[in-house]
Amino acid sequence: QVQLVESGGGVVRPGKSLRLSCAASGFTFTTHTMQWVRQAPGMGLEWVALISHDETIKSYKDSVKGRFTVSRDNSMNTLYLQMNSLTAEDTAIYYCAGAGEPWTTITAAPYWGQGTLVSVSS
Amino acid sequence: DILMTQSPSTLSASVGDRVTITCRASQSVSIWLAWYQQKPGRAPKLLIYKASALETGVPSRFSGSGSGTEFTLTISSLQPDDFATYYCQQYSGYSLYTFGQGTKLEIK
Repeated sequence: QVQLVESGGGVVRPGKSLRLSCAASGFTFTTHTMQWVRQAPGMGLEWVALISHDETIKSYKDSVKGRFTVSRDNSMNTLYLQMNSLTAEDTAIYYCAGAGEPWTTITAAPYWGQGTLVSVSS
Repeated sequence: DILMTQSPSTLSASVGDRVTITCRASQSVSIWLAWYQQKPGRAPKLLIYKASALETGVPSRFSGSGSGTEFTLTISSLQPDDFATYYCQQYSGYSLYTFGQGTKLEIK
């Protein structure tokens, strides 16, 4: 069955960096767009970033553009989110999601990981 | 960016009720609209995609409709398991996806 497992979250000081990973299994990772979505404590869902199956399309929410970088290793079936210059406003559970329609970025996300918590605090 | 606005923000209803949640987009998203259900401490679950397509395994009491800028999620007869928060998400906007702010469905 499809599994998405995030890792790499933790407590980090403002201005520091963190890299999240999402290990995918149970589907053909190489053909699917993937996305990162976050949820601050007690708040709603916030889309963060997207990467197409072949990395030709990468897009970001305005507030993370220039600080966050999404990437993937199709040989390892793994999605990444490099987060730099972190602020308290980046504190959230980060979910990877995807495995919808193959070969397109116009797709919903039927599968989600369990999330990894990032806490930015001095 | 495309702004998604859900209404109401909170909805109180009883088991057996028919409920409708609305999602409006600031510009046309065609049919590229999904609905997710989220329960406390859990990851979101996809219910509806392409505005009206029911995800595999989702009960048929859930239905979606709309196109362009106005969309609705309807639950025909509320069950105890349906009390949760619901989000719409557009996925058309030049690969810039956005969520609505959420609608919390509470037991009356």
